[in-house]
Amino acid sequence: EAAVTQSPRNKVAVTGGKVTLSCNQTNNHNNMYWYRQDTGHGLRLIHYSYGAGSTEKGDIPDGYKASRPSQENFSLILELATPSQTSVYFCASGEPRGSDSDYTFGSGTRLLVI
Amino acid sequence: GQQVQQSPASLVLQEGENAELQCNFSSTATRLQWFYQRPGGSLVSLLSNPSGTKHTGRLTSTTVTKERRGSLHISSSQITDSGTYLCAMVYQGGSAKLIFGEGTKLTVSS
Repeated sequence: EAAVTQSPRNKVAVTGGKVTLSCNQTNNHNNMYWYRQDTGHGLRLIHYSYGAGSTEKGDIPDGYKASRPSQENFSLILELATPSQTSVYFCASGEPRGSDSDYTFGSGTRLLVI
Repeated sequence: GQQVQQSPASLVLQEGENAELQCNFSSTATRLQWFYQRPGGSLVSLLSNPSGTKHTGRLTSTTVTKERRGSLHISSSQITDSGTYLCAMVYQGGSAKLIFGEGTKLTVSS
């Protein structure tokens, strides 16, 4: 079954440390996305990718980098984590398909920066 | 400004009642996508609708593209329908990125 898998599920990081969130998809979608979800803000797009080797800035990219080394893998990197980056992070893959579209979200990563 | 606005923010129903959720979006959308999320859970895709009306089970999605609005109708609500319903516009452009509203929290009680 096609899926999006995120790791880790939970992460506690110290301020100033480096954090890498990983995402793997088996949908063979070209597009992949990283979102964060916070109460009062909903889901906001951080970075996205059109395919292997590409990364694009979303609506809130500051403090984050992304890497898409292959069709299947898309990582989100926090070089210097800050408490304001405490959130739930979702990875997704997706493509429009004619009159329909296919989007799959991972289970999320809960990040606490202390 | 906010590109996707959902209403109401919350809705409380008794089991068996119908729910009507609204979504307004900016002109750069190619379609609306509806998702369901349980508390602490991931997002599950419900319906994708570029225009007109689409049905699946007890769900009916209507998108009026010219008026930049859409709705999700849930008939005969069940307790297990409780959760947050998210409307997202699919951005016009190659990335097909999703821009989300803040959701409607639905509570169905017996």
